[in-house]
Amino acid sequence: KAGVTQTPRYLIKTRGQQVTLSCSPISGHRSVSWYQQTPGQGLQFLFEYFSETQRNKGNFPGRFSGRQFSNSRSEMNVSTLELGDSALYLCASKLADDGTQYFGPGTRLLVL
Amino acid sequence: GENVEQHPSTLSVQEGDSAVIKCTYSDSASNYFPWYKQELGKGPQLIIDIRSNVGEKKDQRIAVTLNKTAKHFSLHITETQPEDSAVYFCAANLGNTGNQFYFGTGTSLTVIP
Repeated sequence: KAGVTQTPRYLIKTRGQQVTLSCSPISGHRSVSWYQQTPGQGLQFLFEYFSETQRNKGNFPGRFSGRQFSNSRSEMNVSTLELGDSALYLCASKLADDGTQYFGPGTRLLVL
Repeated sequence: GENVEQHPSTLSVQEGDSAVIKCTYSDSASNYFPWYKQELGKGPQLIIDIRSNVGEKKDQRIAVTLNKTAKHFSLHITETQPEDSAVYFCAANLGNTGNQFYFGTGTSLTVIP
């Protein structure tokens, strides 16, 4: 069974631009969560989607948004990029609410 | 919300020795505690997990112990090998609908050959 996939793997943007990252969960998994990982802050929860609905949100500004499609694929969008948005963005999926969460390889975003 | 603390932040051991990483959590309602290993350039990989109805779980050289009363859990790696070198994260989860995972700040483990 294929794991969680994320595209693109690397991205370079400039301040003020916007970016869209994509995540395909493990087949059958309906829950997709997004995390931001930075050396200073560690792994920080962005939001979680389940059956196309956002049901949990972390403490990030409204510039960070996401959505989930009927096939459970998810996208996250960051608008008006800031230098501090440079990070590894990780997507994770799980089958059930008490199930194991599996991570993708991440998208490394560099904002110049 | 939940707060997970992880210690130490860095750990160096000789090959063959044991490594222990400890985490504490604040919310007594948390009932699921996974451990992840992250190698350079990769996403975190689940290596072992434990639920609150179990005190200890072992998988070959890796074991996790949970003390619900003290609200702490630990990762034990025995007979360490150079390929165990990575960053390890603990996490806590309420195990309910829509709840998030709270992660520790990570431990960078180096196994010296």
